[in-house]
Amino acid sequence: DVKVTQSSRYLVKRTGEKVFLECVQDMDHENMFWYRQDPGLGLRLIYFSYDVKMKEKGDIPEGYSVSREKKERFSLILESASTNQTSMYLCASSSPRLLAGTGELFFGEGSRLTVL
Amino acid sequence: AQSVTQLGSHVSVSEGALVLLRCNYSSSVPPYLFWYVQYPNQGLQLLLKYTSAATLVKGINGFEAEFKKSETSFHLTKPSAHMSDAAEYFCAVRKANQAGTALIFGKGTTLSVSS
Repeated sequence: DVKVTQSSRYLVKRTGEKVFLECVQDMDHENMFWYRQDPGLGLRLIYFSYDVKMKEKGDIPEGYSVSREKKERFSLILESASTNQTSMYLCASSSPRLLAGTGELFFGEGSRLTVL
Repeated sequence: AQSVTQLGSHVSVSEGALVLLRCNYSSSVPPYLFWYVQYPNQGLQLLLKYTSAATLVKGINGFEAEFKKSETSFHLTKPSAHMSDAAEYFCAVRKANQAGTALIFGKGTTLSVSS
């Protein structure tokens, strides 16, 4: 089975802190994604990557950056956390074959971030 | 552009009753459509997917969905609800024509099941 692991399930940070959210997948997938989930808004795409060192902005990239130094790892970075970034963050992965065929994504369990 | 609209943010049913969660889509190309489920404090799990092979799609846990092009709908159903079906359900459409493409999700429908 595909496993997508998000290192931190719950984080509490202060306004202005730099925050790293880590995601690792074990299926050799080329494509990785970061979504943000908020009540009543569903999931919104922040950034995605289709190869090592490649990244593309999603629908809400402002206030975030990402890093993909290794194929299995995709990090989401909040350079200076703000209270409006309090949310659930979901990492997902897939492969070009899957995406070309069906578009299916495999998700981690999420990281719930609270910014005080 | 692709989008999905889930009708009803909250649906409540009794155990044993029919479950119907509604999803309408908009797509300029033949769509690939998905239903995902999220149990409390967990990530999203694929329930089923439509990829143009058959209009009636069966998924896990007794769920199924029917693709209706004329109605631009992809509603999720289950004949008899179980308590364990209580969760949040998301409809999604594949974003077309983009490298490393992603899914576009609806806002979600929370299903409550009472005994």
